[in-house]
Amino acid sequence: AQKVTQTQTSISVMEKTTVTMDCVYETRDSSYFLFWYKQTASGEIVFLIRQDSYKKENATEGHYSLNFQKPKSSIGLIITATQIEDSAVYFCAMRNYNQGKLIFGQGTKLSIKP
Amino acid sequence: DPKIIQKPKYLVAVTGSEKILICEQYLGHNAMYWYRQSAKKPLEFMFSYSYQKLMDNQTASSRFQPQSSKKNHLDLQITALKPDDSATYFCASSQEGTANTEVFFGKGTRLTVV
Repeated sequence: AQKVTQTQTSISVMEKTTVTMDCVYETRDSSYFLFWYKQTASGEIVFLIRQDSYKKENATEGHYSLNFQKPKSSIGLIITATQIEDSAVYFCAMRNYNQGKLIFGQGTKLSIKP
Repeated sequence: DPKIIQKPKYLVAVTGSEKILICEQYLGHNAMYWYRQSAKKPLEFMFSYSYQKLMDNQTASSRFQPQSSKKNHLDLQITALKPDDSATYFCASSQEGTANTEVFFGKGTRLTVV
């Protein structure tokens, strides 16, 4: 069965620093896709970045990057040079190759302090 | 302009009543989904539709019935409402056949059952 786990309930960091959010997943499929989404205070859910399981290179997108450790079934999100507006809840999600649905983790609330 | 329109934004219903949540997407996608977010279970997958056909149903209760009258519409009918149904319901869409593309989310309908 598929499962996504985010154990960090909340994180608070100072502005302009780097933060890492953890995520581990379970799947029996050999091909899958991992996503990170952000939910803003208004409730809007926004896609941030994706990692394809068959790619060894870590994905990067602006000030977001991923730390993909396939043997550990781990996909961490790294945000560099954090800004106040990065404060949000961050969700890790997984999608198997032949499935449409996304399975989400519980989310990590990130607070950026000025 | 929002590409996935959900109506209404807020909804208050009486226990035992029936409500329909509306969703229209203008992204040209052929796969649509419903997710539910509550304090108990964040971002829980409910249904997926592809080309107006049900592909996956993870909702145990038959009180939840998706309805697709047009290819860019996927409404959610909920009957015999219970207080436990109180949650934010998100409609989403993606391009079918490409699991490595992102899923886009609407802004949600917040349902409160009293």
